[in-house]
Amino acid sequence: NAGVTQTPKFQVLKTGQSMTLQCAQDMNHEYMSWYRQDPGMGLRLIHYSVGAGITDQGEVPNGYNVSRSTTEDFPLRLLLAAPSQTSVYFCASKELASSYEQYFGPGTRLTVT
Amino acid sequence: AQSVTQLDSHVSVSEGTPVLLRCNYSSSYSPSLFWYVQHPNKGLQLLLKYTSAATLVKGINGFEAEFKKSETSFHLTKPSAHMSDAAEYFCVVSEEEEYGNKLVFGAGTILRVKS
Repeated sequence: NAGVTQTPKFQVLKTGQSMTLQCAQDMNHEYMSWYRQDPGMGLRLIHYSVGAGITDQGEVPNGYNVSRSTTEDFPLRLLLAAPSQTSVYFCASKELASSYEQYFGPGTRLTVT
Repeated sequence: AQSVTQLDSHVSVSEGTPVLLRCNYSSSYSPSLFWYVQHPNKGLQLLLKYTSAATLVKGINGFEAEFKKSETSFHLTKPSAHMSDAAEYFCVVSEEEEYGNKLVFGAGTILRVKS
């Protein structure tokens, strides 16, 4: 049982480039989400999904796309990277009800130059 | 809409002394509340959670938190700090919504433990 896995661990992009951050979970969780973490701001929700084929925007969705074709995978796409997207990105998954805890991946540290 | 305020961005204690990390929340309904810990360059780990059962919740590593509805607070405490407790702590509120649920994180409190 690997839990939540994320790849890559580190990435450097140039402004305007695109890339996909991968996230997978093997716990059969319906709810998956992406956060970005910036100093002094906690974790801010980018996008989330409550099941395959269903996604919705969080607090800071601009510049990011997601899709959920399977229960296990929830990739995050940056279409035109900008320096403001330099951050640490965490993927998380959980059971659907609000009382369940989230399980976090190890994070991806992204730098956009 | 729910929100979370962590009242201190930094807390410094001496090893062996009590820890208090303060969290206030606002929520329209009956929330679930969580505390997570993040050690440097690591992911987030659940410390404890409140889900409308006992108001005093015990977590891992000697931490506990008390849910006080009248004060809309969920402060995290530990009787005696250890050097390994130095980390960043996040208070999180979660509510059921019409379609799934949404979680809101506080800005975090960095705990420093002095020897």
